Amino acid sequence: GAVVSQHPSWVICKSGTSVKIECRSLDFQATTMFWYRQFPKQSLMLMATSNEGSKATYEQGVEKDKFLINHASLTLSTLTVTSAHPEDSSFYICSARDVSNYGYTFGSGTRLTVV
Amino acid sequence: AQTVTQSQPEMSVQEAETVTLSCTYDTSESDYYLFWYKQPPSRQMILVIRQEAYKQQNATENRFSVNFQKAAKSFSLKISDSQLGDAAMYFCATLLNDMRFGAGTRLTVKP
Repeated sequence: GAVVSQHPSWVICKSGTSVKIECRSLDFQATTMFWYRQFPKQSLMLMATSNEGSKATYEQGVEKDKFLINHASLTLSTLTVTSAHPEDSSFYICSARDVSNYGYTFGSGTRLTVV
Repeated sequence: AQTVTQSQPEMSVQEAETVTLSCTYDTSESDYYLFWYKQPPSRQMILVIRQEAYKQQNATENRFSVNFQKAAKSFSLKISDSQLGDAAMYFCATLLNDMRFGAGTRLTVKP
């Protein structure tokens, strides 16, 4: 079946630094990838939609300068949390849409802790 | 806009019994998809079942089935013969151009 690799699975960083999270479709092409954020005991909230070769579309209230998204190829999207602060600590999950069958596959998530 | 409502924050079921999780949604579109996802403590999102809105027949996957009422915008999940491994968070989701989730229902299975 379709597999999406998300890396790293967890990361601890110092306040003020930047962190990059990768989302890679291993056995299919994904023109569109989605980035979600999940706080403890809450639902997944869509942050942005990433389209290959074009700018990402951000949801209302999501700072595009803080959460930089790059989707340079059909198999890779990255989310960079810039100048991270403790309130950015959360669980980030990506999903990828298979262009061949419109199936959605989720990555295993990244737990970000900013200290 | 898509909104998804799960009115049951927590549910409990006895092992081998049946439980139904509720979900309602709101969309002005006529063509869309509906999903139920399971999220265990590992937090990996696992697809449980999927329903195309244009299909009247309710989707089933082994012990999991849905009751899809398009006019009422209702999409409930029935789990039959509940097993201990079914314990998890369950999220209902709608898909138009992107996927939106409900608040989730935490299911506990009692031995």
